[in-house]
Amino acid sequence: GAGVSQSPSNKVTEKGKDVELRCDPISGHTALYWYRQSLGQGLEFLIYFQGNSAPDKSGLPSDRFSAERTGGSVSTLTIQRTQQEDSAVYLCASSPHGTATNEKLFFGSGTQLSVL
Amino acid sequence: AQKITQTQPGMFVQEKEAVTLDCTYDTSDQSYGLFWYKQPSSGEMIFLIYQGSYDEQNATEGRYSLNFQKARKSANLVISASQLGDSAMYFCAMTVHSGGGADGLTFGKGTHLIIQP
Repeated sequence: GAGVSQSPSNKVTEKGKDVELRCDPISGHTALYWYRQSLGQGLEFLIYFQGNSAPDKSGLPSDRFSAERTGGSVSTLTIQRTQQEDSAVYLCASSPHGTATNEKLFFGSGTQLSVL
Repeated sequence: AQKITQTQPGMFVQEKEAVTLDCTYDTSDQSYGLFWYKQPSSGEMIFLIYQGSYDEQNATEGRYSLNFQKARKSANLVISASQLGDSAMYFCAMTVHSGGGADGLTFGKGTHLIIQP
């Protein structure tokens, strides 16, 4: 596709359930990022992929959060045993290489996660 | 670790006026990049402008310019001749190189800009 695609756009789940959020980056982009944006807050870095490997997982808030990327393309962010504080917009972004400070990120429209 | 500070949670500006959105940053890295993104109510993050730490001239992109003052660690965004469509959240962000590879962008908390007719 022409841009970064995320699905679903909205997800409502019950506390304790597992959820999977999907990101389809721009074709050919090797770098992929996940961010979390809570209401009225800035973006919180979660994880960065370079190809299929994740050299930086430092932002994952707990071991309930995990992410994988297969084939150097699609990525899935999984949240296990969701809690109400996990409610937020989860944004995915990609960039061509991810190794230069001048490389801008292209963002998807996000997944709005609501945990009841 | 790097940090971005945006001290203006919200701003109201009259249409056609110029706007300055403040951003200060903190990092011990010498090589870094500074970005501004716009987030309208639709939620998507839109890249506006970029400034490299070694760039000697301030970046400009159409109505957007970045007032880069390296000694003050300041990277303010200036929007000339504001338009109603400029109403949005604006985020300042930076990325650094530390030992190879690019860290994820670090974002400020944003400024909510409202342009009034």
